[in-house]
Amino acid sequence: DQQVKQNSPSLSVQEGRISILNCDYTNSMFDYFLWYKKYPAEGPTFLISISSIKDKNEDGRFTVFLNKSAKHLSLHIVPSQPGDSAVYFCAAIGYGGSQGNLIFGKGTKLSVKP
Amino acid sequence: DSGVTQTPKHLITATGQRVTLRCSPRSGDLSVYWYQQSLDQGLQFLIQYYNGEERAKGNILERFSAQQFPDLHSELNLSSLELGDSALYFCASSPLGTSGGGEQFFGPGTRLTVL
Repeated sequence: DQQVKQNSPSLSVQEGRISILNCDYTNSMFDYFLWYKKYPAEGPTFLISISSIKDKNEDGRFTVFLNKSAKHLSLHIVPSQPGDSAVYFCAAIGYGGSQGNLIFGKGTKLSVKP
Repeated sequence: DSGVTQTPKHLITATGQRVTLRCSPRSGDLSVYWYQQSLDQGLQFLIQYYNGEERAKGNILERFSAQQFPDLHSELNLSSLELGDSALYFCASSPLGTSGGGEQFFGPGTRLTVL
C-alpha cells in the first residue's frame, strides 16, 4: 500500500512557464515533507521541504504548498528552465516507529522544453 | 557532489551469488540509510544505522543484511541473489538519528544486475 503517491509519471512544460508537480499521502502521522530532484546516473538531491505546521515554503523559484486536510502537497517551479528537467520525488518522514526514514513516491519526470 | 560515496558503481553477478555494497557517509554524519530503487518504483527504505547501531528497518529481505563500522562507513550484503534483486541501491547519510526537519544526502548509487 503506497503511502506517498505521485500520480503523474511525467510532465512536459514550456521554458518560462510554471511547472506544478503533485503529491498525495495517506498517513496522517507524516509531519515533514521533502522534494528531491534526480538526474540520470546521480543520486537524489534535496530541493525543498515543508513542515506540517506550515502551508507554504518558498526558496527562489521553488515553492511547496501543503494542504493537510486534503493530504496533498505540490511543488511549483516558476519560471521553469531546461535545467529543471529531471525526475522529482516527493518524500515524507514516517514517524510512529519508522524512526525518520524517508517514504518516497514513485516520481514525476519533468521535461522543460526550450 | 553530496559527499556520500558508494562503491562499486556497477555490479553484474549471477543468481545465487553474494555481493557487498559499500557506502561512506558525509564527514561528520552519524546516520546511514540504505534504499532500493527497482524499475518503475520509488525508492524503498531498507535499513538505517546510527553510530554503529541498527536504528530502523524497512522492507529488507532476510537475505539482505547491513552493518556500520566504527569509522561510520556501511556495507550492505545481499546474498542468494535473485533476478528480482536487480536494482539501484542508494546510500544516504544525515547528521542525526532521524531526518525530522533535515534532509538526507544521497550517494550516486550502485547499479546491481543479476543475470
